[in-house]
Amino acid sequence: EAQVTQNPRYLITVTGKKLTVTCSQNMNHEYMSWYRQDPGLGLRQIYYSMNVEVTDKGDVPEGYKVSRKEKRNFPLILESPSPNQTSLYFCASSLLGSSGNTIYFGEGSWLTVV
Amino acid sequence: AQKVTQAQTEISVVEKEDVTLDCVYETRDTTYYLFWYKQPPSGELVFLIRRNSFDEQNEISGRYSWNFQKSTSSFNFTITASQVVDSAVYFCALSDGGGYQKVTFGTGTKLQVIP
Repeated sequence: EAQVTQNPRYLITVTGKKLTVTCSQNMNHEYMSWYRQDPGLGLRQIYYSMNVEVTDKGDVPEGYKVSRKEKRNFPLILESPSPNQTSLYFCASSLLGSSGNTIYFGEGSWLTVV
Repeated sequence: AQKVTQAQTEISVVEKEDVTLDCVYETRDTTYYLFWYKQPPSGELVFLIRRNSFDEQNEISGRYSWNFQKSTSSFNFTITASQVVDSAVYFCALSDGGGYQKVTFGTGTKLQVIP
């Protein structure tokens, strides 16, 4: 079954404590991306990756890091989380190309920073 | 720069009414893709439709239909005979057609269907 898997799904953490949200896909997709969803703002892209070792900033990259060492994994790292990073996070993946391939989303990770 | 506008923040309808969710987009690309996603209260994003910029045919899928008009840069979504299970937040999204997926989402429309 085609899947994008995020972990953890729910997390409450404290300001400044480094955390990593993992994302894994089983579809051999080149493209992966992270979004955050906030009320009234929709989904905003944080980082994206077009292949292994190729990453780039999205619209709201401040306070986040990513890495793409393997094709299937694209972890999101919050080195020093702050309360304004409390949000719902989505990982997504798709094939590359100009055919408008379907974008698969994970189930979301609810993150609260206190 | 890409932009997607969903001017309707919240809509309430009574069950069995028809409802149209508006989506207006801006892009300089000649090739692009438009999407609709549904987000039920459980939070996951459910893919509904993808349409490329060269295909202006309207599409119907059961009670759902989509009206794509390049002349007005709109990609509206209509639910016919709405049901309580249609209650969700609906997102319109725009992807460039340049071989990679810069995806811009609208701010979403929250639909409440009242029994």
